[in-house]
Amino acid sequence: DADVTQTPRNRITKTGKRIMLECSQTKGHDRMYWYRQDPGLGLRLIYYSFDVKDINKGEISDGYSVSRQAQAKFSLSLESAIPNQTALYFCATSPGPTDTQYFGPGTRLTVL
Amino acid sequence: QKEVEQNSGPLSVPEGAIASLNCTYSDRGSQSFFWYRQYSGKSPELIMSIYSNGDKEDGRFTAQLNKASQYVSLLIRDSQPSDSATYLCASADGGYQKVTFGIGTKLQVIP
Repeated sequence: DADVTQTPRNRITKTGKRIMLECSQTKGHDRMYWYRQDPGLGLRLIYYSFDVKDINKGEISDGYSVSRQAQAKFSLSLESAIPNQTALYFCATSPGPTDTQYFGPGTRLTVL
Repeated sequence: QKEVEQNSGPLSVPEGAIASLNCTYSDRGSQSFFWYRQYSGKSPELIMSIYSNGDKEDGRFTAQLNKASQYVSLLIRDSQPSDSATYLCASADGGYQKVTFGIGTKLQVIP
């Protein structure tokens, strides 16, 4: 089984809808991240969490919120989706400073 | 704003040649540097990490770091068609609070 999983893998939704993307990990890492990837813009950090009680905004947090339900679960919500939130979303985990990040398979989100 | 800059490519090299991928970063406080490979539609996976000036070799891959010039590179020897992918350069600050990624360089290895 994959160490970092994301659900759903693909989602098409309409403008104004609320949507939640979920991430689960079995690696036992404290640090979890949400990124979005757009062509020509690379990976951009939305939110990150160093433990259940420590959640921080990244460079593009407007329009998004997160919840760290447990060490293993980190969810990203779009309260009212808009078309420019159409992107590929990745969850990642890392064990700590100086370590690599391990990415989930991604969620392709389309907002019509 | 902390930045990591890469040429988006594509960089085309013939099979068996050396591919050279380059990256510059703006934050002098950066301590850790990473190269990730990303196949189309897939998630990034770590190729190399480097933390000190000089070269680090792992199989066909060599990462080079020059902190004075704020420059990181990745050399791929004996390039194979399976190396065709986008290569993301990333840096992390001294506290490793978060990682900044470049836009990635698309590499095409021509058989």
